Amino acid sequence: QQQVKQSPQSLIVQKGGISIINCAYENTAFDYFPWYQQFPGKGPALLIAIRPDVSEKKEGRFTISFNKSAKQFSLHIMDSQPGDSATYFCAARGRNNDMRFGAGTRLTVKP
Amino acid sequence: GAVVSQHPSWVICKSGTSVKIECRSLDFQATTMFWYRQFPKQSLMLMATSNEGSKATYEQGVEKDKFLINHASLTLSTLTVTSAHPEDSSFYICSASKTSGGPSLEQYFGPGTRLTVT
Repeated sequence: QQQVKQSPQSLIVQKGGISIINCAYENTAFDYFPWYQQFPGKGPALLIAIRPDVSEKKEGRFTISFNKSAKQFSLHIMDSQPGDSATYFCAARGRNNDMRFGAGTRLTVKP
Repeated sequence: GAVVSQHPSWVICKSGTSVKIECRSLDFQATTMFWYRQFPKQSLMLMATSNEGSKATYEQGVEKDKFLINHASLTLSTLTVTSAHPEDSSFYICSASKTSGGPSLEQYFGPGTRLTVT
């Protein structure tokens, strides 16, 4: 059972465009929401993370928007580059520090 | 800092044999380590949570007798896949947390181990 729902499954964006990936959760006990980037054959790498008491966090070209009442959060990648082409996972941390991952979004940025 | 390594990065074994995967935190002590499995083009699924010096906690549906986890020190956890079968072929990823409580509980992921069972 997927505790974190992620969409879209795949995304194609032109270079310089904005990539937007959305996630939703049900468990209000989740207290930390990271986004990971994964390249083929590699482990996931933390991109950016947010806590539920903050509505937005920006680091460089990456922004997380968080809507606590709707139990939704999203990742925006501004000025998308071909090097951003990877699979992105949202995740949510539970009470036992267990991380639950979304299904992943395969992003392709076309030059 | 906060580097996690895994060994081996890739292993092929015959059906029925056992294989051990190591997860090490190189520059920090990890009270808790986690083991995930990822099938091709799928998400990471938590298999078990491993606390140093105690028994691992397995997720529902994960056979603890098949996937043996040992967290004998603050820098090493091992996952042993016993009597491996082709359906166990997957990408196994570990992660480690620096502390067991407090505000900074980020998980640092290893590079993964690709297991192929023939």
